[in-house]
Amino acid sequence: RKEVEQDPGPFNVPEGATVAFNCTYSNSASQSFFWYRQDCRKEPKLLMSVYSSGNEDGRFTAQLNRASQYISLLIRDSKLSDSATYLCVVSTNTGGFKTIFGAGTRLFVKA
Amino acid sequence: DVKVTQSSRYLVKRTGEKVFLECVQDMDHENMFWYRQDPGLGLRLIYFSYDVKMKEKGDIPEGYSVSREKKERFSLILESASTNQTSMYLCASTAAREQYFGPGTRLTVT
Repeated sequence: RKEVEQDPGPFNVPEGATVAFNCTYSNSASQSFFWYRQDCRKEPKLLMSVYSSGNEDGRFTAQLNRASQYISLLIRDSKLSDSATYLCVVSTNTGGFKTIFGAGTRLFVKA
Repeated sequence: DVKVTQSSRYLVKRTGEKVFLECVQDMDHENMFWYRQDPGLGLRLIYFSYDVKMKEKGDIPEGYSVSREKKERFSLILESASTNQTSMYLCASTAAREQYFGPGTRLTVT
């Protein structure tokens, strides 16, 4: 079993749609959680951190469920420019620093 | 604005060649990383370094070595390139939580 698992997609949605991505992680000692965005042929960039209480940044909402070891990202009112791959990232700092990237979920937003 | 640069965007090498990939960051970050990214597998950590002359193996260090002689520079070395090392190589640095990535080097080994 992979340490961080994501649905690879692709998700094909029309502009204006709401889309949700899910991610599960296997290490219950994980401490920090992030969503990164990676455009085609570009490097990953931090989209947002994920906090236990849930957090929102404009059209993007991230949630964490520690009991189920589950992270989600919700994108409302999708734009063409949201088309990208979204990477779920989990970090631990017990017995050594370790960051694990999920394989990513591909999103295509169409006009 | 953090900047992480990599020496080449595209590289083609022959099997058995020694390959050097260079990474430089300008933010005085302690921690630097080398990943490779392959379709369906995501980013996999090859090596990381948390200080000058310090290095730690990641998840897939076999066939690779690294060098960190200066804080801003972290080099990845393929001692004898093989075709299964054809991949996208990404360097990253961090001071705390967010990792900043370089633009990547697409290496093809023929």
